[in-house]
Formats: sequence, structure tokens, C-alpha cells
Amino acid sequence: AQSVAQPEDQVNVAEGNPLTVKCTYSVSGNPYLFWYVQYPNRGLQFLLKYITGDNLVKGSYGFEAEFNKSQTSFHLKNPSALVSDSALYFCAVRDLSGGSYIPTFGRGTSLIVHP
Amino acid sequence: SAVISQKPSRDICQRGTSLTIQCQVDSQVTMMFWYRQQPGQSLTLIATANQGSEATYESGFVIDKFPISRPNLTFSTLTVSNMSPEDSSIYLCSVEFDRAWETQYFGPGTRLLVL
Repeated sequence: AQSVAQPEDQVNVAEGNPLTVKCTYSVSGNPYLFWYVQYPNRGLQFLLKYITGDNLVKGSYGFEAEFNKSQTSFHLKNPSALVSDSALYFCAVRDLSGGSYIPTFGRGTSLIVHP
Repeated sequence: SAVISQKPSRDICQRGTSLTIQCQVDSQVTMMFWYRQQPGQSLTLIATANQGSEATYESGFVIDKFPISRPNLTFSTLTVSNMSPEDSSIYLCSVEFDRAWETQYFGPGTRLLVL
């Protein structure tokens, strides 16, 4: 079985400051990891993914995430938050080695960037 | 990526009625998914709809309640039947192009309120 945990319901940060949105996962095999963002009244938009290779993955809008196998984490980071980054962020995992293509999504973290 | 549209974008319905949600993609895709996103909760997969075969439903979801059609590689519908207030939710369709990269792309969602 696979699972994802986003331990924070909400993250508050001041504009210009760095931000981190946490994600930990559990899979029996090798994980495929994803971050999606959902702006108000919109569908989810793909931000970045880790499949294999370099543990540091860079995505859209200055976001990056680091795959840490020993800590089973895939935290999302941005060195300088913008008010426009305020949205709901979802981490997702897939474990294709288990034969299932169904992704599991975390419960989401609301990021609020204050001016 | 892809342009994915959903109709209607929102609706208010009376209990006991049914609503059909349409999902249109601007290019051919093999796999389409239907999700439910309830307020304050994560995404829950309802079913996977592949063209030319019956939809595969997840635990807790049945065809009589959520019939799905997939007549071609660019279109799918989800019907929410005999609605109750508990069906009030956002319904999202998503597609997957390249199985090797496993990225999903989402439509804008249909916001359903059942009175």
C-alpha cells in the first residue's frame, strides 16, 4: 500500500521569505513523487515530479523539491514567496513497482503568503 | 500538456435528480480519471475510464450511482445519479498522456451543490 502525509494544514509566510511545504510518503517499492497546486476555483496544476536521477527537482514558478529516500520525504520549497503563490498544494505518490498506476494524494496544504 | 474543459463549471441541483458532467480534451488520451474533492479534503478517485472498455471503479463507488461513458479518446462523461446533499463536491476529470512519466493533467472542475 502507498500513502502520503502532509502534516501541515496551513503554512503562513511573509512575501519574500523562503517557504517549505512538507510531504512524507510510504511505498513498498520505488516512488514516483509529484507536487500539484490548486488556485481558488481552479483545477490542479502540475508543478514538478521526481521519477529518478537528481534528488533536487526544479519546477515551475521557482519551486523545487528534494527527494530524500532515507527520510521518505519530498518537501516543496521556494526561496522567495510571492503573494500569488497563495494556493492549495498537493503532494502525490505512485508506486509502479507494486503494479498499481493509481496515485495517492495528500490532504493538501494551504499556503498563505502575506504581503 | 493539454487543454481540458469541463461542463458545467458549477450547478445547484435538487436531491433525487441526476447531473451529467462532461470532460473534453484537446488531444487524444488513453487514460482519463474522475475524482471527487470534498471541502477540506483531498482528492478521491472515483473511477478510471479507458476508451473501449468499461470504467474501473474504486472501492466505495458503484456504476449505478456514477455511470461513466468514454465514447472516444477525447471525451468522457460522469453522471451523478439520484443525488443527495452528500454528493455536494467538486468533481474533477484528469488525463494522462505518457504512461512512462505518469503526470496527470486536470480539468478546472465542476462544483456541485445538492439541496
